[in-house]
Amino acid sequence: SQQGEEDPQALSIQEGENATMNCSYKTSINNLQWYRQNSGRGLVHLILIRSNEREKHSGRLRVTLDTSKKSSSLLITASRAADTASYFCATDFRGSNYKLTFGKGTLLTVNP
Amino acid sequence: GAVVSQHPSRVICKSGTSVKIECRSLDFQATTMFWYRQFPKKSLMLMATSNEGSKATYEQGVEKDKFLINHASLTLSTLTVTSAHPEDSSFYICSARDLSGRGLSYEQYFGPGTRLTVT
Repeated sequence: SQQGEEDPQALSIQEGENATMNCSYKTSINNLQWYRQNSGRGLVHLILIRSNEREKHSGRLRVTLDTSKKSSSLLITASRAADTASYFCATDFRGSNYKLTFGKGTLLTVNP
Repeated sequence: GAVVSQHPSRVICKSGTSVKIECRSLDFQATTMFWYRQFPKKSLMLMATSNEGSKATYEQGVEKDKFLINHASLTLSTLTVTSAHPEDSSFYICSARDLSGRGLSYEQYFGPGTRLTVT
């Protein structure tokens, strides 16, 4: 089955720096979503970008989507220690009846 | 936003016993709920799609007789792990779609997860 792949698998930065995570997928999608998960907790929805959109912003988050390359990136600006978490992309690919396929995730550590 | 709860949040059971996990949509009706499992430091893997009033649809490789899903009402889906074994130990997460028209039809709301440990 189609699955998103994030890179890097782990990212460690200092507070105040920007963090960029990438996601690639294999088939045509309806939309792509980014989620955050703190250790041992449920998922928090961050942002959704539709297949006909190229860029979206939400606070310190910026998501881009390149459907020709089948890839997306999540940028967190001015990171904070509280941003430490795992970040997953999830794709809703065409014909899936809204089932989400999750990538492997990026573990972000923001050092104070 | 819409809220989804799961109960219990943690459960420890002995090998061979069955465990039931509940997933509830608290302030909306969910005709469709999804069940995922997540191994430590791994991604979420979709196990099955739970449809209210009909049989669940299982993903390839998921044993339907082992993971029984019941979606008896518009606000409750249950996952029962039957004859549990240590390899069933995992983090189980449910999600639900709100089709009332209040939210976006493709939005899924996730529960906080249930940590199952089989000894």
